[in-house]
Amino acid sequence: SAVISQKPSRDICQRGTSLTIQCQVDSQVTMMFWYRQQPGQSLTLIATANQGSEATYESGFVIDKFPISRPNLTFSTLTVSNLSPEDSSIYLCSVDLGAGEQYFGPGTRLTVT
Amino acid sequence: GENVEQHPSTLSVQEGDSAVIKCTYSDSASNYFPWYKQELGKGPQLIIDIRSNVGEKKDQRIAVTLNKTAKHFSLHITETQPEDSAVYFCAASIRGSQGNLIFGKGTKLSVKP
Repeated sequence: SAVISQKPSRDICQRGTSLTIQCQVDSQVTMMFWYRQQPGQSLTLIATANQGSEATYESGFVIDKFPISRPNLTFSTLTVSNLSPEDSSIYLCSVDLGAGEQYFGPGTRLTVT
Repeated sequence: GENVEQHPSTLSVQEGDSAVIKCTYSDSASNYFPWYKQELGKGPQLIIDIRSNVGEKKDQRIAVTLNKTAKHFSLHITETQPEDSAVYFCAASIRGSQGNLIFGKGTKLSVKP
């Protein structure tokens, strides 16, 4: 497996602002992903973070709202822009170590007031 | 696209009893089926997985079975303990398809001492 950390672990933000979430892995990985988990719900894939190119977004998620950076093989950021209360969720990064298994970070709990 | 149904949504058992959670999937091309355990305030933890060339896999008190014909798979936990209490998610994907895991809605398992 891999050791995955996320910062911040939680935050409370005001409507209209943005939050950038960092994901750090202790080894180089090709594939990193960002998921959203709304309160009491399952996980939904936001995008695949590609190193050296633009992220690949799933249906219903757009780059203007969820810009993603992947500057190297151990780090990625997800920004949630123009926050509204509906963005209150847990945001999770995950990595695929190459065998198909995905391992998740501890998550970032975002509350928008 | 793939759709994963998970039942039951909640499950309460007495300590020492067995627990069974069932999932069905729609895409016959899916060939990888992981199970995750999510404790309160934590990210999902991969606990066991199965690939389509295997019918059953066991790891201590946890086992997973797969019926490709019926397109369903199940998680079995024997001799449950209070620390097994958590939300369990099943997922399905096509290995090699950029790792897009489709998750079920989760089962909240409560083990009463």
